[in-house]
Amino acid sequence: ELKVEQNPLFLSMQEGKNYTIYCNYSTTSDRLYWYRQDPGKSLESLFVLLSNGAVKQEGRLMASLDTKARLSTLHITAAVHDLSATYFCAVVRFGTQGGSEKLVFGKGTKLTVNP
Amino acid sequence: KAGVTQTPRYLIKTRGQQVTLSCSPISGHRSVSWYQQTPGQGLQFLFEYFSETQRNKGNFPGRFSGRQFSNSRSEMNVSTLELGDSALYLCASRPGRADGYTFGSGTRLTVV
Repeated sequence: ELKVEQNPLFLSMQEGKNYTIYCNYSTTSDRLYWYRQDPGKSLESLFVLLSNGAVKQEGRLMASLDTKARLSTLHITAAVHDLSATYFCAVVRFGTQGGSEKLVFGKGTKLTVNP
Repeated sequence: KAGVTQTPRYLIKTRGQQVTLSCSPISGHRSVSWYQQTPGQGLQFLFEYFSETQRNKGNFPGRFSGRQFSNSRSEMNVSTLELGDSALYLCASRPGRADGYTFGSGTRLTVV
């Protein structure tokens, strides 16, 4: 059974600081996603990581993937208040029927950026 | 380009009732998946549909069912509602394999 663990689950940081969220998963997969969720809202896609060593950056967020270590990181650079949200990683798990799959989510990291 | 549309946005039901939620995927997206989000269990997979066929099902009781129509629109039904079914139900669509998922705004179901 694929397990996805995120840490930390809660993160309070000051504006301007850097921090990293970690996402470990237990079995191999060919895709990992990062999502952002604001309170009461849906999931906003941030990154999809497909291969070992993949690195993607958007603004103050950078995601990377190490498939050998089964680890993805989401690095926040010079945090600003607008980044306050819950961040989820999700790993693809294939089903038994051809083409079928599902996302297995981590529990999320609730990020609060304080002025 | 229209996104994934879920209706209704909010729903309040009484224990024992049944409910039907609707999801219209992005045009051209043939795969539709449903997820349940609760504070205790987090985000959990319910079903995946592709070309009107259920391809994958999560670990939920038989009270949870779904279907997909020829236009790729999908519905999920929950019968004999329980308090624990209160959750945000999210629908996601994607064009095909290895593509990204686009999530709808969700339906917040409250069972009283």
